[in-house]
Amino acid sequence: AQTVTQSQPEMSVQEAETVTLSCTYDTSESDYYLFWYKQPPSRQMILVIRQEAYKQQNATENRFSVNFQKAAKSFSLKISDSQLGDAAMYFCASKQGGSEKLVFGKGTKLTVNP
Amino acid sequence: GAVVSQHPSWVICKSGTSVKIECRSLDFQATTMFWYRQFPKQSLMLMATSNEGSKATYEQGVEKDKFLINHASLTLSTLTVTSAHPEDSSFYICSARGTGDQETQYFGPGTRLLVL
Repeated sequence: AQTVTQSQPEMSVQEAETVTLSCTYDTSESDYYLFWYKQPPSRQMILVIRQEAYKQQNATENRFSVNFQKAAKSFSLKISDSQLGDAAMYFCASKQGGSEKLVFGKGTKLTVNP
Repeated sequence: GAVVSQHPSWVICKSGTSVKIECRSLDFQATTMFWYRQFPKQSLMLMATSNEGSKATYEQGVEKDKFLINHASLTLSTLTVTSAHPEDSSFYICSARGTGDQETQYFGPGTRLLVL
């Protein structure tokens, strides 16, 4: 069974600084996908970034990038130049290829201090 | 692109009544839709998966007769909470997966249900 672990219940960062959110996962499959979703106070889940396991290159979306360490089953999210609008719950999720289900971690609450 | 809407955004109802929540994919065809429940300060819990034109697949522990799911078209799925009770009060979120990118789920804004 897939599992996703986010070991940091809460994190904080100063505006304009960089923060890294941790995520580890466990899967027996070789074909899988990893995601980071953001849930701001509005509670709308927003896709931040996605990584295909078969791709060695780390995914990047503007100020958001991941450090995908396949052997270590680690998938951390780096937020550069943090902005007040980045404050939210961040959920790491995995999906096995061929499966329909997303498995979520418990989330990390990110606070951005002005 | 990939916008999912939910209606209503919040609803208050009396115990014993039924409530219907709609989930629509606005700019893509959703072959599969998912329904989640989220308790305060917790992660999302998958309730069921529905494919257009088929019966929904419910997760273990989710009452099929309590949470009726219908996915009648490629853009609409509904969740009906039947005979709602206070313990059904929660935040319900739907997501949809399209025919193009079959790996990514796009989420609706959620529906807050309060049963008095």
